[in-house]
Amino acid sequence: GAGVSQSPSNKVTEKGKDVELRCDPISGHTALYWYRQRLGQGLEFLIYFQGNSAPDKSGLPSDRFSAERTGESVSTLTIQRTQQEDSAVYLCASSSSRGGSLQETQYFGPGTRLLVL
Amino acid sequence: KQEVTQIPAALSVPEGENLVLNCSFTDSAIYNLQWFRQDPGKGLTSLLLIQSSQREQTSGRLNASLDKSSGRSTLYIAASQPGDSATYLCAVRTVPTGGFKTIFGAGTRLFVKA
Repeated sequence: GAGVSQSPSNKVTEKGKDVELRCDPISGHTALYWYRQRLGQGLEFLIYFQGNSAPDKSGLPSDRFSAERTGESVSTLTIQRTQQEDSAVYLCASSSSRGGSLQETQYFGPGTRLLVL
Repeated sequence: KQEVTQIPAALSVPEGENLVLNCSFTDSAIYNLQWFRQDPGKGLTSLLLIQSSQREQTSGRLNASLDKSSGRSTLYIAASQPGDSATYLCAVRTVPTGGFKTIFGAGTRLFVKA
């Protein structure tokens, strides 16, 4: 079936505006991850959803960042009052892992490239 | 099909020991290779990213090497500490035309004894 999709693919916004990024995981995948990748740097974990469990928000860099997921479907990542430092590629991944197992491959979406002017 | 293998699956060492974690991949046409750390019940923390054109990266007590032609990468941890106890994951990103599909190894579970 279809892979992980994200929208928009690119977003340019002005400093101080709010943005909302969307992730559609692979159908049936219970785990969903958001990562951020700044230019030339590795992935930074942001948040992890596993089924109906409380999400792991330990990677969110500030209270301007929040994410939601309804059941095992779409997730949205919201950044309020954007700053230039928020400019990055925001990546979503999903996997069928259950119970914290990491034997399953994480499949990443194409990312949303965010530029804050 | 890219396959990523990590050896050993688990490792227990006394504090202060230097250690090497191994990662091998079957398709050398990679875009980059990344080492992650995962603590129980948490997401991944990126440790080091090596681009395909690079041979090594260093961060503090960590050094990662990449030999793309042989399909190998190693993560060297110097002077290990109990706080280093975690699962270490190697992840290979395929070339851009293949889409951003990152293949992870199964990980090496490290336990550093105080």
